Amino acid sequence: SQQGEEDPQALSIQEGENATMNCSYKTSINNLQWYRQNSGRGLVHLILIRSNEREKHSGRLRVTLDTSKKSSSLLITASRAADTASYFCAIDNYGQNFVFGPGTRLSVLP
Amino acid sequence: NAGVTQTPKFRVLKTGQSMTLLCAQDMNHEYMYWYRQDPGMGLRLIHYSVGEGTTAKGEVPDGYNVSRLKKQNFLLGLESAAPSQTSVYFCASSPTTDTQYFGPGTRLTVL
Repeated sequence: SQQGEEDPQALSIQEGENATMNCSYKTSINNLQWYRQNSGRGLVHLILIRSNEREKHSGRLRVTLDTSKKSSSLLITASRAADTASYFCAIDNYGQNFVFGPGTRLSVLP
Repeated sequence: NAGVTQTPKFRVLKTGQSMTLLCAQDMNHEYMYWYRQDPGMGLRLIHYSVGEGTTAKGEVPDGYNVSRLKKQNFLLGLESAAPSQTSVYFCASSPTTDTQYFGPGTRLTVL
């Protein structure tokens, strides 16, 4: 299936450091999205990047997309304890739905 | 504007019992989705709908049925619950195939 695969599975950093997580996929995509899930909550949309875009920013978030390598990265700069959550990439491969990866669990230590 | 709401928040069933999960959205979105999330895993799509009166199977549809009689509501039914259906169920809606808006989830335990 066209599941996105996030890497690493888990990441632990100190407050103030940057966090980088990656998503790889297998076939062509329409767009790729990143979502955050706090413990016990639903997912919240962070950012969408289309197949013809290479980089997008939103506040402390920076997303890149390399369609030749079939990969995307999410960078969170100057992390805060409140950034502790699971992060998922979701692939839109021109279908009517999305395919989510298993996620990266980020822990930001104070 | 409540966004996406799910009813109930928690439920415990015995094997073989049936139940219906309700998802409601007040954003006039065309697309609605039901996912399940198991520990340490991402979301797996159960069924989805691209408009009122339409439904389609997702990745893991077996054991579930859905209905979208009204645009704002998407119901997920379990006719004969099994322990393998113990999971957290999330509903989502979207205006197009872009951003999805998620509900808070329903935690279901099947004994």
